[in-house]
Formats: sequence, C-alpha cells, structure tokens
Amino acid sequence: AQSVTQPDIHITVSEGASLELRCNYSYGATPYLFWYVQSPGQGLQLLLKYFSGDTLVQGIKGFEAEFKRSQSSFNLRKPSVHWSDAAEYFCAVAKAAGNKLTFGGGTRVLVKP
Amino acid sequence: GAVVSQHPSRVICKSGTSVKIECRSLDFQATTMFWYRQFPKKSLMLMATSNEGSKATYEQGVEKDKFLINHASLTLSTLTVTSAHPEDSSFYICSARDPPREEQYFGPGTRLTVT
Repeated sequence: AQSVTQPDIHITVSEGASLELRCNYSYGATPYLFWYVQSPGQGLQLLLKYFSGDTLVQGIKGFEAEFKRSQSSFNLRKPSVHWSDAAEYFCAVAKAAGNKLTFGGGTRVLVKP
Repeated sequence: GAVVSQHPSRVICKSGTSVKIECRSLDFQATTMFWYRQFPKKSLMLMATSNEGSKATYEQGVEKDKFLINHASLTLSTLTVTSAHPEDSSFYICSARDPPREEQYFGPGTRLTVT
C-alpha cells in the first residue's frame, strides 16, 4: 500500500525567507506525486504535480518541487515566502493520474512578518 | 474551467437526522468522484470512490450504510450521512476526475456539525 509522510507538522518562516517542506512516499512503482495547499476552511488547490520527465517541477505561486527517486522524496520549495503563503500544505501520491489520492499528514506553515 | 462545487458549505443538524451533501462538476463531466473526510487539524482520508451509474467503492472501515453515496449523473454525486451522530462532525471534501486531463479537482468542502 502506498503511504506519504510529511515529517514537519508545523513550520514557521519569516516573510521573504526561503521555505522547504519535506515529503517522503512509499510506493512500489513509479508514483504520481502532488502538492496541494489548503487555506483555513477551504478546499484544496493543486500547486504542482509530477508524473514523469524532468524531476524538477515548477508550479503555481512560485513553488517548485524536486522528485528524488533514490530518497523517495518530493520536497516542496519556495525561494521567498509571502504572508499569503500561510496555509496547510499536503503532499499526496496516486497510482495513476486521476486515481484516488493518499495524503500525508500535512504541514502547517506560519509566516512571521 | 474545471470547477467543482459543493452544497451546502456548512450545515448543522441534530443527532439522528440525515443530511445530504452535493458535489457538482460545473464545466466538465466526471465519471469518477471521490469523497474525503478531514478531521480538525488532520489530513484527508478517502472515504469512497463514486462512479457514475454504479455502486460506490468504500475504503476499509467506512460504513457504507451510514455514508450513502449516489452518482446519478456525470456532474453530480451526493453523500448522505444517515442517522448522524456528533462523531460524524467533520469537514467533507469531494473531488471530481476530469478524464481528458486525468486530474482531480476539489470542491470547497462542507463543514458538518452534528449537535
């Protein structure tokens, strides 16, 4: 069975500083990987996804993620955080595009002024 | 494009009653929709996969007689929480699969409070 681990429950970062959110997955075959963001009381918005090809993926809102098969990781990064980036971030894995998602526990990002 | 709506966005009901939540794909046809449940400050757990015109597939541990799912058309799936109890209070989120793009699009969620 597939699983996703997000080791950091909370991260606090200063506005303008860089951000990296960790994600490790467990899946036997080539995974389909996603990062979503959720603002309080809202649904999920897709930031980026990786299916194949270039292991560095660019997403919306200035986010990027790098797939590292050897480390079973798909870490999310942003060079300079804005106050509006404060939210909950979820990493997810699926067996195929459009299939049901298995989510990590989420990382809550707080942005200090 | 690719908008998914949920109705209602927030509902309060009394214990023992039933409540229906609708999930609609507004600008595409979704043969498959997914229902997730999110506890406060927790991650999303898949409850069931809803396929148009057939029975839903429930995840292990989810009571199919309590959480009734109907996917009667290509743009509408409903989740009915029957005989609701306070422990059913949660945030329920649906997603709809857009086959041509092989992506899931999420609804804004429904906050259910059972008193």
